[in-house]
Amino acid sequence: EDQVTQSPEALRLQEGESSSLNCSYTVSGLRGLFWYRQDPGKGPEFLFTLYSAGEEKEKERLKATLTKKESFLHITAPKPEDSATYLCAGSFSGGGADGLTFGKGTHLIIQP
Amino acid sequence: AAGVIQSPRHLIKEKRETATLKCYPIPRHDTVYWYQQGPGQDPQFLISFYEKMQSDKGSIPDRFSAQQFSDYHSELNMSSLELGDSALYFCASSLRAYEQYFGPGTRLTVT
Repeated sequence: EDQVTQSPEALRLQEGESSSLNCSYTVSGLRGLFWYRQDPGKGPEFLFTLYSAGEEKEKERLKATLTKKESFLHITAPKPEDSATYLCAGSFSGGGADGLTFGKGTHLIIQP
Repeated sequence: AAGVIQSPRHLIKEKRETATLKCYPIPRHDTVYWYQQGPGQDPQFLISFYEKMQSDKGSIPDRFSAQQFSDYHSELNMSSLELGDSALYFCASSLRAYEQYFGPGTRLTVT
């Protein structure tokens, strides 16, 4: 069974305190690894897609990286507006428009 | 930029009633996905359509059905509603099988 596991479940940081969120996944058949941000009661907002080990992508204070077993979302000098749940999801080999398998998410709180 | 549109945004139904949720994908996107997200849960994949044909199927109950129409919009039909069906229902769209962009969701409450 395809699995995506995120850690930690929750993280509280001070404004400006950098950190990383972890996402480990079932290795076989991964077609793509996705990161989303979700605010309460809203739809997940697309952040990054990573397709191969060694790939990195950046957007403002966020940087996503992918290894053969896991992905990291690095948050540099976060601000209170970065508070949200960050979801990691995998697309596994299915030959078509595969549904994503999501992790449970990391609930991030940035305190001023 | 245009986003995924879902309607209605909120829906209240009683047990055993039926509900129809609608999704309008981003223009030129040819693939639609449906997800269910219960309180405090991660989104669970239900079903997807590519070029109006069912493509992938997840944990969709037999009481639910969906289709994609010629204009690429999609509808999720839910019958014999149960209390446990109360959730946020998201539609996402993509161009072929690339990044999925989610809509704002429909909050379904079954009483």
